[in-house]
Order: sequence, then C-alpha cells, then structure tokens
Amino acid sequence: KAGVTQTPRYLIKTRGQQVTLSCSPISGHRSVSWYQQTPGQGLQFLFEYFSETQRNKGNFPGRFSGRQFSNSRSEMNVSTLELGDSALYLCASSLAQGQGYEQYFGPGTRLTVT
Amino acid sequence: AQSVTQLGSHVSVSEGALVLLRCNYSSSVPPYLFWYVQYPNQGLQLLLKYTSAATLVKGINGFEAEFKKSETSFHLTKPSAHMSDAAEYFCAVIDNQAGTALIFGKGTTLSVSS
Repeated sequence: KAGVTQTPRYLIKTRGQQVTLSCSPISGHRSVSWYQQTPGQGLQFLFEYFSETQRNKGNFPGRFSGRQFSNSRSEMNVSTLELGDSALYLCASSLAQGQGYEQYFGPGTRLTVT
Repeated sequence: AQSVTQLGSHVSVSEGALVLLRCNYSSSVPPYLFWYVQYPNQGLQLLLKYTSAATLVKGINGFEAEFKKSETSFHLTKPSAHMSDAAEYFCAVIDNQAGTALIFGKGTTLSVSS
C-alpha cells in the first residue's frame, strides 16, 4: 500500500506570496493532519481534517488554512508568506479520527521563503 | 494540558551498545504515547505506541519502550545499536484538548559510532 504523498517536495517563495501544499493520504485513511517543523519551534500541530471538515486547529494565524476533499486528499494554504513560515510541512493520515489511531507521516514539503 | 519532555538533545553511543532515549510526560488523564523516528530529509516513522494495553511496548527495528506511571516516563530502549539507528527521535503524546493532535518533544539526535 502506498504511503502518504506530499507535493511538491521543495518550494521556494517570496515574502508576500501565497502557497498551496498538497497531501494524499494512505488509501482508506480518512483523517489528515498537518504539522509544521522548524528548528526553533520543533513540531507543531496546524490542523486536522476528517470527512471534509476541520476538526481541530492549532495555534497558528488565520493566514494558515486548509481543506479536505471528498477523496480525503487535503491541501493547506499559507497566504501573505513571511520569512518565519520557512519550514518543513508534514502531513499525516490516519484511518479515522480517534486517539488510538496511528498517524502515518509523509515525507514533507520543504518551504523556503525569501 | 499534556506535554512531553525529552531529556538530552543529543545522545552518542557505540555500535552494539545499549540505546536509551528518555521521555517524560505530563498528563492529567491516561495518555496515548508515541515514539517516532526521523531520518534526514524524510518524514516521521512510527516506532511504537502506548495505549494502556501493556506497559512494555515493542516496536519496529528492535526498539521497545516501557510506560511507568509512577515516574511519568516512557523511555525508548534498544539492546544493541546499529549504525542505521542514527537519526532524530521524537516522543509524542495525544493532546486530549484537540482531538488527535500530537504534542511532540523537542527531539533527541542519536549518533552511533563504529
């Protein structure tokens, strides 16, 4: 079974631009979560989607948004990029929403904002 | 609120030596705990999880962890280190306030020398 895929793997953007990242979960998985990883802040939860609805949101500004499609694929969008948004963005999928379900991570999208 | 603390940002061992990576958690309710590993330029791979079924949890690649409620610890061990174990390791706990969001520790980088 194919793992979680994320596209693109690397991205370079300029301050003020916006960016959209894509995540395809493991086949059959219906829950998708997004995390930001930076050297300074570590791994931080962005949001979680299940059945096309945002179920939880981390402590990030409204410039960070996401959505989930009927096939469980998810996208996240960052508007008005800032230098501090440079990070590895990780997507994780799980079978369903629930604390006992393992989350499987994709390879991430490395975003560099210049 | 839940949290995890990983003691030691860097651990160095010789090949064949015992690996011990420390994690202490804070939770007011029985926690769901996880260990993940991250190799350079890759996403996170689940090593093992604790969900209260058994206090000694065996994971992949010869790793195991023991849940000790009295010490609020969930340390990761491996009897004999291999060069391929060199990576960054993250302990995580489910955030009960936010569905299935994972709260990660700062990570421990494991170096293995020959």
